[in-house]
Amino acid sequence: EAGVAQSPRYKIIEKRQSVAFWCNPISGHATLYWYQQILGQGPKLLIQFQNNGVVDDSQLPKDRFSAERLKGVDSTLKIQPAKLEDSAVYLCASSSTRGNTIYFGEGSWLTVV
Amino acid sequence: AQTVTQSQPEMSVQEAETVTLSCTYDTSENNYYLFWYKQPPSRQMILVIRQEAYKQQNATENRFSVNFQKAAKSFSLKISDSQLGDTAMYFCASVNDMRFGAGTRLTVKP
Repeated sequence: EAGVAQSPRYKIIEKRQSVAFWCNPISGHATLYWYQQILGQGPKLLIQFQNNGVVDDSQLPKDRFSAERLKGVDSTLKIQPAKLEDSAVYLCASSSTRGNTIYFGEGSWLTVV
Repeated sequence: AQTVTQSQPEMSVQEAETVTLSCTYDTSENNYYLFWYKQPPSRQMILVIRQEAYKQQNATENRFSVNFQKAAKSFSLKISDSQLGDTAMYFCASVNDMRFGAGTRLTVKP
């Protein structure tokens, strides 16, 4: 069974530029999560999708972050414009339903300079 | 939203010995799940063990076991016969809204 796929793995951008991360969850998984993990901290949930609907985006900085999950499969997380404090690993994860085991991708490392 | 607290930022243990990592959580729900994840330097999150709140029996996976105290809202992880490969960050997480604790950095010493 293929795992959660993320790309790009690494990205370096200048502040005020934009960046997009892509995630393809495990086949058949209805729930998809995006987390932000700053060095030395635990992952912070940014947004949770159930199929193509948003379940929780209470911690998503909506002035600069956006996410979509068209057709209820893969998802894109965008940051525009980026700030220095956005430097982090962005983890995508999926589960078959809410409450089931969550499987993570390898993460996308973002450095904003 | 549920909150998860890990009060031990760092711990160390000698190889082959046993170590326990602590986690407390806060929830108003009756049915929920709790997880421990391991994160090595590669940042890949790896599931270690899962506990369902309605089950009385503590979960066990080989050298890993939990002490789940529902009334106290405590969910500790015990690692027996520690191995060098167990060195990593360990995160406690609660489902249903998948909040993570701040993590415990575990170092296994030879």
